[in-house]
Amino acid sequence: SAVISQKPSRDICQRGTSLTIQCQVDSQVTMMFWYRQQPGQSLTLIATANQGSEATYESGFVIDKFPISRPNLTFSTLTVSNMSPEDSSIYLCSPITQGRGADTQYFGPGTRLTVL
Amino acid sequence: GENVEQHPSTLSVQEGDSAVIKCTYSDSASNYFPWYKQELGKRPQLIIDIRSNVGEKKDQRIAVTLNKTAKHFSLHITETQPEDSAVYFCAAHNQGGKLIFGQGTELSVKP
Repeated sequence: SAVISQKPSRDICQRGTSLTIQCQVDSQVTMMFWYRQQPGQSLTLIATANQGSEATYESGFVIDKFPISRPNLTFSTLTVSNMSPEDSSIYLCSPITQGRGADTQYFGPGTRLTVL
Repeated sequence: GENVEQHPSTLSVQEGDSAVIKCTYSDSASNYFPWYKQELGKRPQLIIDIRSNVGEKKDQRIAVTLNKTAKHFSLHITETQPEDSAVYFCAAHNQGGKLIFGQGTELSVKP
C-alpha cells in the first residue's frame, strides 16, 4: 500500500482559530477522502476530492467550514475553520492511488485535534 | 442512502475462543465489504475484505462471510489472542463510490 503521512499528528487549538491538516502520499492520488472520527465513534466522511475537480461535501459539512485543497497529485490539505470544542476529533485522509481499485482504502495516521 | 448496522457494540471473549461480528447493509448495489481493525491511538487498518461475487474469504484466523440476499456480512476470528483486542469496523462500498462504516465493535480478549 502507499505510504501516507499527515501533519500535524496532533494539535491543541483555541476556539475561533483555524488549523490546516496536510496529507502527503508517495504515489499519485486519483481520489482523496477526508474523514472525521469523534471520540469513541466511527468514521464519518467529510468530503471527497476528485482529481481535477472541486471537492464534494457530505451532508452536514460545508466548504466554508472545511475547505480542501489539492495543489498536486500527491498532496492535499483540509482546513478546520473557526474551530469550536465540537470540532475536537481525529481527522484522517484516505487516498485512492493509481493502480489500485477505486474502493480499496487505506488511512493516513490521523491528526488528533483538541479545541479548547 | 446506504446504512450499515454493526453488532455487537462490545464483545468480550476468553483467549482461544472465537469472536463473531455481524453487519447489515441497506444498499443492494453495494459490492465491496472491507473490515478494519483500529488499535487504541492508531489508524484503522484494513484486515480483510470481500467482494459481492464471493460468499466467503479466509486469511489465517480471520474469515468473512457475505450473504447478498439477506444483505449481511460477518467477521469471524478463531483462536483469539490478546493482541486481537481492538475496535473493529465493517464498511460497505455504495453506489456513490464511498465507504459507509458501521458503528464499530470493541473486542476484548481476556487472557
